[in-house]
Amino acid sequence: AQSVTQLGSHVSVSEGALVLLRCNYSSSVPPYLFWYVQYPNQGLQLLLKYTSAATLVKGINGFEAEFKKSETSFHLTKPSAHMSDAAEYFCAVSDRSAGNMLTFGGGTRLMVKP
Amino acid sequence: NAGVTQTPKFQVLKTGQSMTLQCAQDMNHNSMYWYRQDPGMGLRLIYYSASEGTTDKGEVPNGYNVSRLNKREFSLRLESAAPSQTSVYFCASSERGTGVYEQYFGPGTRLTVT
Repeated sequence: AQSVTQLGSHVSVSEGALVLLRCNYSSSVPPYLFWYVQYPNQGLQLLLKYTSAATLVKGINGFEAEFKKSETSFHLTKPSAHMSDAAEYFCAVSDRSAGNMLTFGGGTRLMVKP
Repeated sequence: NAGVTQTPKFQVLKTGQSMTLQCAQDMNHNSMYWYRQDPGMGLRLIYYSASEGTTDKGEVPNGYNVSRLNKREFSLRLESAAPSQTSVYFCASSERGTGVYEQYFGPGTRLTVT
């Protein structure tokens, strides 16, 4: 069985500060990992995905995430927060089956203060 | 190219009423999914369809039924709505195979059961 834990349901940063959103996973097979973002009253859109090609993955809007097998982590970072980054962020792990099912973490709401 | 569309956007039901949520995708994807989103719990899989003609239960299938009408359409039915089914429902679709395929999400249906 797979699971995803996102530490901190709410994170607040100042504009221009570093963004760090934490994700830890458990999986019985080498994982595929994803970060999605949800803006208010919208569906989820993909920020980035880890496919085992490289441990540091770059995504859209300046976000990146590093896969650390020894720590079973896939934390999301951005060097400088922008007001438009305020949203909810979800980490997810794929079961790598033909059904391609995802297990999501509980989400982290990012607030950006001016 | 509309991606994944869902109807309706909002719905209010009384306990015991029934309704069907509609979902369609125009990306020629094989796999489709229904999730519910509740605060602090991330997205939980209700049902999925790995390919046309097949459906399987996810994590929280009780109280729901699904129909994969054709490759494009996947509907979710609540036969007798309960207040515990108040939630935001998302449909998603993805390619299917041995690669790493992200899921594409619709805009959601916000359902309130009174």
